[in-house]
Amino acid sequence: QKEVEQNSGPLSVPEGAIASLNCTYSDRGSQSFFWYRQYSGKSPELIMFIYSNGDKEDGRFTAQLNKASQYVSLLIRDSQPSDSATYLCAVNWREYGNKLVFGAGTILRVKS
Amino acid sequence: DTAVSQTPKYLVTQMGNDKSIKCEQNLGHDTMYWYKQDSKKFLKIMFSYNNKELIINETVPNRFSPKSPDKAHLNLHINSLELGDSAVYFCASRGDGYNSPLHFGNGTRLTVT
Repeated sequence: QKEVEQNSGPLSVPEGAIASLNCTYSDRGSQSFFWYRQYSGKSPELIMFIYSNGDKEDGRFTAQLNKASQYVSLLIRDSQPSDSATYLCAVNWREYGNKLVFGAGTILRVKS
Repeated sequence: DTAVSQTPKYLVTQMGNDKSIKCEQNLGHDTMYWYKQDSKKFLKIMFSYNNKELIINETVPNRFSPKSPDKAHLNLHINSLELGDSAVYFCASRGDGYNSPLHFGNGTRLTVT
């Protein structure tokens, strides 16, 4: 199993729909989990992070964490064409000096 | 004010040359990183420094040598460049604690011909 795994996509959703992005990870004493968005030709930008089991909401974004299943997801409500980007999941590995390891990213396309 | 800045933005060079990328952060963070993003967009950690001390050194060819003169600066020198080194290199910094996110620079697109 890869350390951090994401479906590469592309995931296509119509404007206004909910986009659901998923990420699974190997358990290495991981403590915290981050979602980044990356537009083509730009640097990754933080959307949100989560470290406790359950849901965390920030505006149109909801992160969900299930440590027992080693699964973290990001929901984007009322998807907009401007949400079209690559979404990167990152996991903090405590035992490796707090190393942040990224998945390969999921391409999201929101069609108007 | 740019939080994490790296130069140059673009670097085009020939195989066998030596080049450097510079990075500076004004966030007051103790930890800085170099990540490499290949053509498939996979972002892979290369090095990490905490207050000038090397903390993480991934399996990277020893042609790559990071240098941190102080905690606000982390440079990357690459010797004998190869075609496979072509990628986007991101510098990043991070505050203390496992909940602290990475703050990325704008990246340096390196093209080796």
